[in-house]
Amino acid sequence: DQQVKQNSPSLSVQEGRISILNCDYTNSMFDYFLWYKKYPAEGPTFLISISSIKDKNEDGRFTVFLNKSAKHLSLHIVPSQPGDSAVYFCAARDWGNDYKLSFGAGTTVTVRA
Amino acid sequence: EAQVTQNPRYLITVTGKKLTVTCSQNMNHEYMSWYRQDPGLGLRQIYYSMNVEVTDKGDVPEGYKVSRKEKRNFPLILESPSPNQTSLYFCASSLYINPTINNNSPLHFGNGTRLTVT
Repeated sequence: DQQVKQNSPSLSVQEGRISILNCDYTNSMFDYFLWYKKYPAEGPTFLISISSIKDKNEDGRFTVFLNKSAKHLSLHIVPSQPGDSAVYFCAARDWGNDYKLSFGAGTTVTVRA
Repeated sequence: EAQVTQNPRYLITVTGKKLTVTCSQNMNHEYMSWYRQDPGLGLRQIYYSMNVEVTDKGDVPEGYKVSRKEKRNFPLILESPSPNQTSLYFCASSLYINPTINNNSPLHFGNGTRLTVT
């Protein structure tokens, strides 16, 4: 059973607008969350992360929000650019099992010019 | 250039014919791992290694073997491939044993190996 869920397989957004990607999790032992970005024919690359002791982390155009009570996190991209078109994976670490990350199924983002 | 290199990039084989997918990293990373990516399922961990001669099962280890005889290499072995092992495979490495202990040691992924078993 998947413990990290990205319920939107795809997202289309106009250039310059905000992209919001959502991720839900079920395991209350997750304490660290990451977003990875993947272009076709390439491996995933690390984008941004957040610890469970925070509710927001920002890095340039990318901001991740964490709502622990709802077991929900989101990635905001503002403004969206054509180069942001990619698959985005949400991942979570179980604090009792440091060596494993659980990944979501991914959301494909398409930024329209 | 710091990288994780997987070979081959594409592989088509038949059921039961043993194969090996190689993975090599040039960053002196201690931690290495194999994942498979399937539609709707995301990335699932197959095996991981915390250091030379130390390996352990991930979430979907059945049908796979690994070895870590030297720090830089972590090959994935399919002794008797089956069609349900058709997938996109990624090797990854990280500097620290705990791959997510801080923001500076996220997993570094290779570019993937597309395996088809007929």
